[in-house]
Amino acid sequence: DTGVSQDPRHKITKRGQNVTFRCDPISEHNRLYWYRQTLGQGPEFLTYFQNEAQLEKSRLLSDRFSAERPKGSFSTLEIQRTEQGDSAMYLCASSTSRYEQYFGPGTRLTVT
Amino acid sequence: AQSVTQLGSHVSVSEGALVLLRCNYSSSVPPYLFWYVQYPNQGLQLLLKYTSAATLVKGINGFEAEFKKSETSFHLTKPSAHMSDAAEYFCAVSDRKTSYDKVIFGPGTSLSVIP
Repeated sequence: DTGVSQDPRHKITKRGQNVTFRCDPISEHNRLYWYRQTLGQGPEFLTYFQNEAQLEKSRLLSDRFSAERPKGSFSTLEIQRTEQGDSAMYLCASSTSRYEQYFGPGTRLTVT
Repeated sequence: AQSVTQLGSHVSVSEGALVLLRCNYSSSVPPYLFWYVQYPNQGLQLLLKYTSAATLVKGINGFEAEFKKSETSFHLTKPSAHMSDAAEYFCAVSDRKTSYDKVIFGPGTSLSVIP
């Protein structure tokens, strides 16, 4: 069990650029979640996958955000045409049940 | 809609003193409830969870929480604070009526432990 990993850990980009983050869940975890956390706030749910199916997507996710989980393994979160308001920590978590989620260290995005 | 309130964005306790972090939830039916801890530059870690078994739940590192339906509360306690307990603590709720795994987190409470 190597834990949930996220790449990159930090990303600085200019407004208007596209960015993509990767999450590798714990092996055999069929559930995968993305959250966004801003300073001084708790994580906000963005989206949830069970295997390769995206079962729920928050209204927080604008059309500029897209997430995929091909083959039910790793997942990517892409943000197109980034805005300064997108600056946040993006967290990934995985689980085998709804009772405990294992979180990765997060990707900190700074949009300048 | 479900929501979570954590009273006190910052709590300071002396080493060896009681830790009490407050959490109240809003839900039409008793939900699943969780406490997570986040150490600096690390991901969130589950401390304990309530899933409709015993109302007093014991977790890791000596923490426990009691589900009180009448008060819609799920406060986190630890009898004696240790320096290593300094971290950010998040209360969270999940709606048991839905099949989705959406978890709503509170705003967090930062715990400082004074030597």
